[in-house]
Amino acid sequence: AQTVTQSQPEMSVQEAETVTLSCTYDTSENNYYLFWYKQPPSRQMILVIRQEAYKQQNATENRFSVNFQKAAKSFSLKISDSQLGDTAMYFCASGPDYGQNFVFGPGTRLSVLP
Amino acid sequence: DVKVTQSSRYLVKRTGEKVFLECVQDMDHENMFWYRQDPGLGLRLIYFSYDVKMKEKGDIPEGYSVSREKKERFSLILESASTNQTSMYLCASRWAGGGETQYFGPGTRLLVL
Repeated sequence: AQTVTQSQPEMSVQEAETVTLSCTYDTSENNYYLFWYKQPPSRQMILVIRQEAYKQQNATENRFSVNFQKAAKSFSLKISDSQLGDTAMYFCASGPDYGQNFVFGPGTRLSVLP
Repeated sequence: DVKVTQSSRYLVKRTGEKVFLECVQDMDHENMFWYRQDPGLGLRLIYFSYDVKMKEKGDIPEGYSVSREKKERFSLILESASTNQTSMYLCASRWAGGGETQYFGPGTRLLVL
């Protein structure tokens, strides 16, 4: 069975600083994808960043980047130059190359402080 | 922009009532999902549909059923609501294929009294 663990239920960071959210996973799939989704307060969940497991290069999207360690099954999210709008629940998720067996972690609530 | 809408943002029902939650997407996505979101548990998949009239059980299907008569619409049905089904329900859709992004609706917060 697939599992996704996020060991930090809550975190806070000062505006303009950098923060890293942790995620570990376990999967029996040979090929799979990893995702970070963001759910702002009372707003819809949106994709932050996606990583294909067979690609060694870490994905980046503007201020968001990941540190993907395949052997360690670790997929952390780094947010640089944190902004107030980054305040949200962040969910790590894994999904197979084919199929629907997506698994989400319990989430990390991030607060960006002014 | 992809738009996924859900019929209600908040819903209050009584134990034993039949409850319908509807989800509509406007991007012709093949796949649609219903999740339940509870604090500390993340999102758990209830049901998945990969095409019209096609469905598969997710991790927690007990007490729920689904219907997908048209490609754009995916309904979640609670045949006889119980208090332990009080939760946030999220619908999502996506293109078929590996690694495709899921697009989420705003969620329905259901309270069963």
